[in-house]
Amino acid sequence: GAGVSQTPSNKVTEKGKYVELRCDPISGHTALYWYRQSLGQGPEFLIYFQGTGAADDSGLPNDRFFAVRPEGSVSTLKIQRTERGDSAVYLCASSPTWGNTGELFFGEGSRLTVL
Amino acid sequence: QQQVKQSPQSLIVQKGGISIINCAYENTAFDYFPWYQQFPGKGPALLIAIRPDVSEKKEGRFTISFNKSAKQFSLHIMDSQPGDSATYFCAARKSGSARQLTFGSGTQLTVLP
Repeated sequence: GAGVSQTPSNKVTEKGKYVELRCDPISGHTALYWYRQSLGQGPEFLIYFQGTGAADDSGLPNDRFFAVRPEGSVSTLKIQRTERGDSAVYLCASSPTWGNTGELFFGEGSRLTVL
Repeated sequence: QQQVKQSPQSLIVQKGGISIINCAYENTAFDYFPWYQQFPGKGPALLIAIRPDVSEKKEGRFTISFNKSAKQFSLHIMDSQPGDSATYFCAARKSGSARQLTFGSGTQLTVLP
């Protein structure tokens, strides 16, 4: 596709369950980011991949959150033992090579609701 | 710690009016200041951006004014249109190896017809 694709668009789960959110970046974009956006707030940085490696995971709130990008393209954000406070829209963004202008191209997000 | 403070939280203007949104930052290591526009159900999209070596950047009806000494920057939307109704986020990025953006809390703009 032409843009960043995220699936599922909506996910409702129960407290304590495991969740996976998928991001398919724009073809050729080497940098991939995960952000979390709570209602009425700006996106909050979670993790950044350059290629296959996590270049910066300082935004992950705790060890229940983990993300992978095994082949340098699609990424999966994994949340274990979900809590009600994890409810938010999880945004994925990608950008071209390291020396780019800084523009991030966002997907439409995955809305996670933890009951 | 909120590194980018944005105001107002919401803004209502008449069609044809000027919309002004302000942001202030604390970290002098920031070297890139974009504004993103977000419509309901969509991801944020880059609107306009500025680097600290210039004081103003204009693209069509959108202008960023930047005051490095005050550590403040603002978005001006001239001739505001109902189609501009959206949430606007300022952001900042640190120089160096970290490339992630730090976003403000957003301003919900409503332009009345």
